Amino acid sequence: ILNVEQSPQSLHVQEGDSTNFTCSFPSSNFYALHWYRWETAKSPEALFVMTLNGDEKKKGRISATLNTKEGYSYLYIKGSQPEDSATYLCAFSSGYSTLTFGKGTMLLVSP
Amino acid sequence: NAGVTQTPKFQVLKTGQSMTLQCAQDMNHEYMSWYRQDPGMGLRLIHYSVGAGITDQGEVPNGYNVSRSTTEDFPLRLLSAAPSQTSVYFCASTGWGQNTEAFFGQGTRLTVV
Repeated sequence: ILNVEQSPQSLHVQEGDSTNFTCSFPSSNFYALHWYRWETAKSPEALFVMTLNGDEKKKGRISATLNTKEGYSYLYIKGSQPEDSATYLCAFSSGYSTLTFGKGTMLLVSP
Repeated sequence: NAGVTQTPKFQVLKTGQSMTLQCAQDMNHEYMSWYRQDPGMGLRLIHYSVGAGITDQGEVPNGYNVSRSTTEDFPLRLLSAAPSQTSVYFCASTGWGQNTEAFFGQGTRLTVV
């Protein structure tokens, strides 16, 4: 069983704060690293799929970086808004078939 | 644009009952999977399929069966429900390619009493 760790487990910030989360994954047999946003009572939705070491992806105020050699990825949210409140999941793939998910970081943004 | 359709949304079973969770996708994806989500745990893989006629076990397969007779459908069967199977279940599908994301169904909240 592959070990994918996310930290922190939960985070409570004020509107306008910037924040970041970490995802650690095995540095061997890397295929892809996914980030998903999961709102309560909804399904997870993809934010980014990252495949190359040094990759940096951005979607609005959210961005992510990838270091496959040391096995970590960071997700950044700039100027958090209440609508950013959700659980953020990362998932590691060592091949096409399967994703191994971390336990997620639960973000709460207060107005 | 339906994507991944998962039914039912809610279900209550008695211990020992059987049921099938349905999952269908209209994106012609080869890869489909079932996950369960429990408090304090991430999404854990139950079973997956890389194409019609091919299935394999994930991390937590015991108590569940799957089949993949068509590309579109990937049902999950609980043979004899147990309280430990109380969980939220998600079906997902993924297309070919290293940069492709997983698309999830709406989830099924199952309670076994």
